[in-house]
Amino acid sequence: GENVEQHPSTLSVQEGDSAVIKCTYSDSASNYFPWYKQELGKRPQLIIDIRSNVGEKKDQRIAVTLNKTAKHFSLHITETQPEDSAVYFCAASPRGYSTLTFGKGTMLLVSP
Amino acid sequence: DADVTQTPRNRITKTGKRIMLECSQTKGHDRMYWYRQDPGLGLRLIYYSFDVKDINKGEISDGYSVSRQAQAKFSLSLESAIPNQTALYFCATGLAGGSQYFGPGTRLTVL
Repeated sequence: GENVEQHPSTLSVQEGDSAVIKCTYSDSASNYFPWYKQELGKRPQLIIDIRSNVGEKKDQRIAVTLNKTAKHFSLHITETQPEDSAVYFCAASPRGYSTLTFGKGTMLLVSP
Repeated sequence: DADVTQTPRNRITKTGKRIMLECSQTKGHDRMYWYRQDPGLGLRLIYYSFDVKDINKGEISDGYSVSRQAQAKFSLSLESAIPNQTALYFCATGLAGGSQYFGPGTRLTVL
């Protein structure tokens, strides 16, 4: 089955800095890679996703990049703000299925 | 707004008790999922269903069972609760192709 590794487990940045979270996956058949943000006490919410036919996708201050050859994908947040503080999860979904395998999460702390 | 709801939101029970967690959705999605969240372990899939007649085991199904009563309802049961089933449980719904949307969660404590 699919295995997703996520690093780092915690990340502390100053407001205005950039943050990068990296994930690797094991199943070369995986073709869908979403990122979720979970604020304290709340449900995980989809913030951005990418499919294997695309190398990069941006949405305002967040972007995701995918390297299929190396089987890794990354979340980039620019100009971080305190409200970006949360736990971020990456996930991968193999082609033909609709299940997701999640990484263990990254706690991002943005200090004012 | 179309949403995913879970009941109860919090539950404290004792070892050996049978517990049912319920999930309802108004999103019109065919696919529904149950996950368990433990600190440092991320979200792990317990069971999933692609339609009313389809039930599939996930990564950690032992000790759990599910029922898909209708397209909009998917229940998770713990037949005989044990303390290591203390966790935050999330229901999710999804579309073909991967996107999943989570309910607010149920915090379960087994004493």
